[in-house]
Amino acid sequence: IAGITQAPTSQILAAGRRMTLRCTQDMRHNAMYWYRQDLGLGLRLIHYSNTAGTTGKGEVPDGYSVSRANTDDFPLTLASAVPSQTSVYFCASSDVGGGTTDTQYFGPGTRLTVL
Amino acid sequence: GESVGLHLPTLSVQEGDNSIINCAYSNSASDYFIWYKQESGKGPQFIIDIRSNMDKRQGQRVTVLLNKTVKHLSLQIAATQPGDSAVYFCAENQVIKAAGNKLTFGGGTRVLVKP
Repeated sequence: IAGITQAPTSQILAAGRRMTLRCTQDMRHNAMYWYRQDLGLGLRLIHYSNTAGTTGKGEVPDGYSVSRANTDDFPLTLASAVPSQTSVYFCASSDVGGGTTDTQYFGPGTRLTVL
Repeated sequence: GESVGLHLPTLSVQEGDNSIINCAYSNSASDYFIWYKQESGKGPQFIIDIRSNMDKRQGQRVTVLLNKTVKHLSLQIAATQPGDSAVYFCAENQVIKAAGNKLTFGGGTRVLVKP
């Protein structure tokens, strides 16, 4: 069982380009999340999805979009990348049931640099 | 791997000693609290959690204490080992029926274990 995989591991991108970060989980978790982590800061939620077909905005959604066509995949798209989106991006997943099984499990991250 | 949080507060501890990492939280409505460990170049890894109606929970070599009066959370690591060197984040989780889990991370503490 792989858990959560993210691709690519790292990417250097020119400003204005479109980029999709991929995330796949094999734990059959209902909920999935995208966070960004900047130097000196904790993780901040970008978007989330409680179940396939639904998505919601987190703390810092501007400039990002997501889709949840199925349970396993939750891609994050930057329509037109800007340098302030340089960050490490983490995908996470969890069950949604109101108990401690709702703990989020994280992928290895994607390091994105926008020039 | 890449380091995150170069300006994080740092706790230096001698191998074999006990470590105490502290965290202040802000949301009294949080349902439970979680400690994550993040090694360089990796995603956060779940360590232990505690529900808001508890004040202490023990795991393997770790203990989490919750003081709701002063909104304070601590993680104690017994007999700290070199493999414990990492950045530790506390997170507060609020289960919102319509939105699932809302996880808010603290800023993190870097633990350096000296041989």
